[in-house]
Amino acid sequence: EAGVTQFPSHSVIEKGQTVTLRCDPISGHDNLYWYRRVMGKEIKFLLHFVKESKQDESGMPNNRFLAERTGGTYSTLKVQPAELEDSGVYFCASSLRPLGGEQYFGPGTRLTVT
Amino acid sequence: QKEVEQNSGPLSVPEGAIASLNCTYSDRGSQSFFWYRQYSGKSPELIMFIYSNGDKEDGRFTAQLNKASQYVSLLIRDSQPSDSATYLCAVHTGRRALTFGSGTRLQVQP
Repeated sequence: EAGVTQFPSHSVIEKGQTVTLRCDPISGHDNLYWYRRVMGKEIKFLLHFVKESKQDESGMPNNRFLAERTGGTYSTLKVQPAELEDSGVYFCASSLRPLGGEQYFGPGTRLTVT
Repeated sequence: QKEVEQNSGPLSVPEGAIASLNCTYSDRGSQSFFWYRQYSGKSPELIMFIYSNGDKEDGRFTAQLNKASQYVSLLIRDSQPSDSATYLCAVHTGRRALTFGSGTRLQVQP
């Protein structure tokens, strides 16, 4: 069974540019989560999808971040325009059960904004 | 006060010893507890989860949960150099997805 995959693994962009991160969850996992780890800090929750619906987006830092999950399969996280403080590692996770179930993480996308 | 607290370490143990990793949490409504292992530059890997008070064993790993005292621990028996990593405690409170601690770095000395 394939695990959670993320693309790209690394992205370096300039301040003001746009970047789109992609996550493919484990097949059959309706629950998809985005997390972020900035330098020296804990992994922080961003948002949670159940199928194509946003269940909880309370962790999204501001309206420069837009997440979508059309069709309930893969998800994208767009940052527009990117700021320096957006640099960090963006992880995607998926789970079979809803909140409280075991979450399996993807390899992450390391975003550097210069 | 942080929602999930861990000692950052490093915790250094000799090969073959028992490594004991601890985590405390602030929300008494927390329901599910997870331990992730993260090697440098890699993603968190789920190694244990526990939902009820008491002990849960899986191979060399034992998770212990005490909801009254609001702590969860991870014991690693017969520690190996390959166990050297950062161990992340994560808690689900029911209000949102996982809340992570900052992690404890474990070093197993050959």
